[in-house]
Amino acid sequence: KQEVTQIPAALSVPEGENLVLNCSFTDSAIYNLQWFRQDPGKGLTSLLLIQSSQREQTSGRLNASLDKSSGRSTLYIAASQPGDSATYLCAVLNYGGSQGNLIFGKGTKLSVKP
Amino acid sequence: DAGVIQSPRHEVTEMGQEVTLRCKPISGHDYLFWYRQTMMRGLELLIYFNNNVPIDDSGMPEDRFSAKMPNASFSTLKIQPSEPRDSAVYFCASSPGRISNQPQHFGDGTRLSIL
Repeated sequence: KQEVTQIPAALSVPEGENLVLNCSFTDSAIYNLQWFRQDPGKGLTSLLLIQSSQREQTSGRLNASLDKSSGRSTLYIAASQPGDSATYLCAVLNYGGSQGNLIFGKGTKLSVKP
Repeated sequence: DAGVIQSPRHEVTEMGQEVTLRCKPISGHDYLFWYRQTMMRGLELLIYFNNNVPIDDSGMPEDRFSAKMPNASFSTLKIQPSEPRDSAVYFCASSPGRISNQPQHFGDGTRLSIL
């Protein structure tokens, strides 16, 4: 059974720092891995989607990497800003079974202090 | 563009009452998903539809939960009878085309409290 773990559960950094959020998963048979952002009282916003054949994806100050063989992904945020404060979730879409079944981690709550 | 629209945003009701949550997906999206989020269990898929047909309902916790999608622009998730342990935030999401390479778009959720 696929399990997704995110460490740390919470992170506080001063504005301007570069930071890395970690995600690990137990079963490497995945279609893709996705990173989402969730603001308080809101739904999830998709940030980056990495296909299983890809190693990384970039969008602005965000860079996500995928190492399928080791079951790990990282989300790198450059030059963090207070507006980056949110909970970041990663999710994997498994091969086989239900193609719609995204398995989510419990998230890392990021706080960027001005 | 209008995103995924859920109603109501908040619902407080007493145990035993019927609860109906509503979702309007993004126009043109073929897939619709219902999720539940709690502190203990995180975000879990309950059921999803493709072209209005339920594909996988293995996440629906028990027979008290039911979901329908009568047309491409509307879906409901019903709980009858409701119990305090059903208290959670319920999200609806939709996705276009092949879900293996398309992100899901989430609504703002319904925060449900069962007293």
